[in-house]
Amino acid sequence: AQKVTQAQTEISVVEKEDVTLDCVYETRDTTYYLFWYKQPPSGELVFLIRRNSFDEQNEISGRYSWNFQKSTSSFNFTITASQVVDSAVYFCALSEAVDSWGKLQFGAGTQVVVTP
Amino acid sequence: EAGVTQFPSHSVIEKGQTVTLRCDPISGHDNLYWYRRVMGKEIKFLLHFVKESKQDESGMPNNRFLAERTGGTYSTLKVQPAELEDSGVYFCASSQGWNYNSPLHFGNGTRLTVT
Repeated sequence: AQKVTQAQTEISVVEKEDVTLDCVYETRDTTYYLFWYKQPPSGELVFLIRRNSFDEQNEISGRYSWNFQKSTSSFNFTITASQVVDSAVYFCALSEAVDSWGKLQFGAGTQVVVTP
Repeated sequence: EAGVTQFPSHSVIEKGQTVTLRCDPISGHDNLYWYRRVMGKEIKFLLHFVKESKQDESGMPNNRFLAERTGGTYSTLKVQPAELEDSGVYFCASSQGWNYNSPLHFGNGTRLTVT
């Protein structure tokens, strides 16, 4: 069963608009870790953020912010005032304590297209 | 510092042939991982090395896939014989430690096309 669901396949916005990427996860572990990665057109996966299950504090990094809500098993990602350079595929991932560190379970990814 | 490097970046082979992918992790990273994304599917874990030892190879699809990391430095992933369903992007990642403070750093991937 898929443990990380990114329901949005593609989101298109105009530059300066905000965009929110949804991520819903499923786990029975009480200890787990959540991640977001960005895949620009060049292909590499760029690490953006990690969160452990005991830290529900939301985080802001520049134009990026993350909203972690255990009650709804969601870890959503918002890009504020989007720019063309934000165009990429964004992946949400889960690592469960029962698995070895580094064994990430990825969602299908959301393609973000930002047009000028 | 140099990132995780993978080569070739692209490989096109015929069904039944053999292909070897290579990954050079970030210097000093003991942990090395292989992932792949086949067409239309999620990125899936294949295996994890700690130095030269296989820590977890639960994601390896079948015995046509062989991963090695002799000497605990670079790693190779051999597919022999390749099948059509092996087409996809193969990612390598490395991390310094094996805990929450050691995020995975991924390479650009190798795009494998089996015709």
